Amino acid sequence: DAGVIQSPRHEVTEMGQEVTLRCKPISGHDYLFWYRQTMMRGLELLIYFNNNVPIDDSGMPEDRFSAKMPNASFSTLKIQPSEPRDSAVYFCASSLDGRGRNKPQHFGDGTRLSIL
Amino acid sequence: AQSVAQPEDQVNVAEGNPLTVKCTYSVSGNPYLFWYVQYPNRGLQFLLKYITGDNLVKGSYGFEAEFNKSQTSFHLKKPSALVSDSALYFCAVRGARGFQKLVFGTGTRLLVSP
Repeated sequence: DAGVIQSPRHEVTEMGQEVTLRCKPISGHDYLFWYRQTMMRGLELLIYFNNNVPIDDSGMPEDRFSAKMPNASFSTLKIQPSEPRDSAVYFCASSLDGRGRNKPQHFGDGTRLSIL
Repeated sequence: AQSVAQPEDQVNVAEGNPLTVKCTYSVSGNPYLFWYVQYPNRGLQFLLKYITGDNLVKGSYGFEAEFNKSQTSFHLKKPSALVSDSALYFCAVRGARGFQKLVFGTGTRLLVSP
């Protein structure tokens, strides 16, 4: 049973470059979440989707950040242009909207992003 | 707004001793509470949840959590700690806007010494 798959696991790039993070949710899950984790700010929800539609993007820090979910099995988080303060671990998670709406979220192992 | 607080940045316990990781919550309406664990270089893993019913919830890896409505707490416990339990633990609550949105605490690092 494959879990949430994120790629790449590590990304090092220079400021100003475009960065694209990828996520494949668990098959059949209808919610997808993007989080960012840093020592200073902890775990932050950036955006989440339901059935491929963005529901809440209030956590997206700036217009430099964008996220898409073109189909049920793929999502991207893009940063353009990237800045050193974007360095963090980015997690994708997915969940299933069960009858009680209390199904847990399943996390990928993250992308460690370093902007030089 | 829904929120959780984890008052301890780190908890130290000797192997074989009981452990407690604290969490308090603030919600409007019924609380839906969760515990997750994060090992180094890994994503968060679900441990257990409280929805309704018994105040003592049992979860994965021998962990349990005690829900206390009067104290608005949801502490994570384990009767006998293992060195392999050393990790970062997060308490979370369902957000008010949308049932699927989770609000996480700041995390508590558990260190179990041999």
